[in-house]
Amino acid sequence: DSGVTQTPKHLITATGQRVTLRCSPRSGDLSVYWYQQSLDQGLQFLIQYYNGEERAKGNILERFSAQQFPDLHSELNLSSLELGDSALYFCASSRQSRPFIHNEQFFGPGTRLTVL
Amino acid sequence: SQELEQSPQSLIVQEGKNLTINCTSSKTLYGLYWYKQKYGEGLIFLMMLQKGGEEKSHEKITAKLDEKKQQSSLHITASQPSHAGIYLCGAATSGAGSYQLTFGKGTKLSVIP
Repeated sequence: DSGVTQTPKHLITATGQRVTLRCSPRSGDLSVYWYQQSLDQGLQFLIQYYNGEERAKGNILERFSAQQFPDLHSELNLSSLELGDSALYFCASSRQSRPFIHNEQFFGPGTRLTVL
Repeated sequence: SQELEQSPQSLIVQEGKNLTINCTSSKTLYGLYWYKQKYGEGLIFLMMLQKGGEEKSHEKITAKLDEKKQQSSLHITASQPSHAGIYLCGAATSGAGSYQLTFGKGTKLSVIP
């Protein structure tokens, strides 16, 4: 158990819908990262938040957005869903206590999204 | 952008045999992470390497980062069925406070009892 929790574990929805994925980082971790894993693209970085502020963006679509709340939990919002959005979505957290010092990223169990 | 190539893509070994998985980067590695993933499940952190020439071990798994910091290897000694899974290497992208990881496609390891 990494200490990172994600809900829900599974999500099945229809095209055009909107869903929200939730992540709670490990206690004390200020950074939250979102990744998408699909069979064809592999594991890809979407977005990072540090202590409530967006820090970096990767291959995140405009239909997707995220935020990190004062209690440090994060939500990833996916809207106007398409079949191709079906994937495993992972959240990871790390301490990031010092600049340019790389800390381990611990991953949650993931949310499996199926768009029908 | 940084790209990571893992080899081999898949590996089938007999229980008890040693094996090596390689991860080669198109750019200098500032931090190299190894994870293990069971199919459809979360990633389990194995090791992180930062310094050229660094080597770390955990139980029967050893990871090294070469001196030039563009390649890492993961070596498993006396493999067991519990080692089966997908091994992913991830590279830290050094930026202004950003530490997102770029991942390789993974190496699928099967261990035959």
